[in-house]
Amino acid sequence: QVVLTQSPAASASLGASVKLTCTLSSGHSNNNIGWYQHQPGKGPRFLMKVHSDGSHIKGDGIPDRFSASSSGPERYLTISSLQSDDEADYYCQTWGAGGFFGGGTKLTVL
Amino acid sequence: EVQLVESGGGLVQPGGSLRLSCAASGFTFSNYWMSWVRQAPGKGLEWVANIRQDASGKYYVDSVMGRFTISKDNAENSLYLQMNSLRAEDTAVYYCARGLYYSDYDYYFDYWGQGTLVTVSS
Repeated sequence: QVVLTQSPAASASLGASVKLTCTLSSGHSNNNIGWYQHQPGKGPRFLMKVHSDGSHIKGDGIPDRFSASSSGPERYLTISSLQSDDEADYYCQTWGAGGFFGGGTKLTVL
Repeated sequence: EVQLVESGGGLVQPGGSLRLSCAASGFTFSNYWMSWVRQAPGKGLEWVANIRQDASGKYYVDSVMGRFTISKDNAENSLYLQMNSLRAEDTAVYYCARGLYYSDYDYYFDYWGQGTLVTVSS
């Protein structure tokens, strides 16, 4: 089955950019993935679907500050012009005989 | 505006049962796959179950197969999760989510509710 690996934590300063990584396990490097933002006390928010070629389709109302790219088995989420409200857990997810999530990255905005 | 509102969570003893509900509004419910996703305390997200638009197909994570049943009432715009033989490891916040289906290998959750907490403990 597919495994998605994310760094547990990341941090960046207010107004800066940050790039989060999600790595697909061997044999699944062509999978599309989804990125989600999860703030405490709220339901997760779908950010975008990312294809293996780096193209992406955003969810409703997702600002241009959020973008995505791909390289081999890695899928990236870049957040620019960081705001305090971007502080959250970020999860990647793919599908293969069931749904699979990465372990999540806790983003701290300094 | 898409809205998903879960209810039915609470404290239940091991071996007990609980039925979660999700009231949907703001979209044509009968056109969409729906899902349940959970998050155990201090853990990440875990997919639990999916159901096709017309309820003709239901899919589960192995750990709940045979114990949980997902269902959908398109006339009432409601999604349900019947949970039987509950275990301590089922303790989690349960989220109702709308499915974004592209293919059997390409599926996402594009709208989520706020969640309802299920605690399994004696």
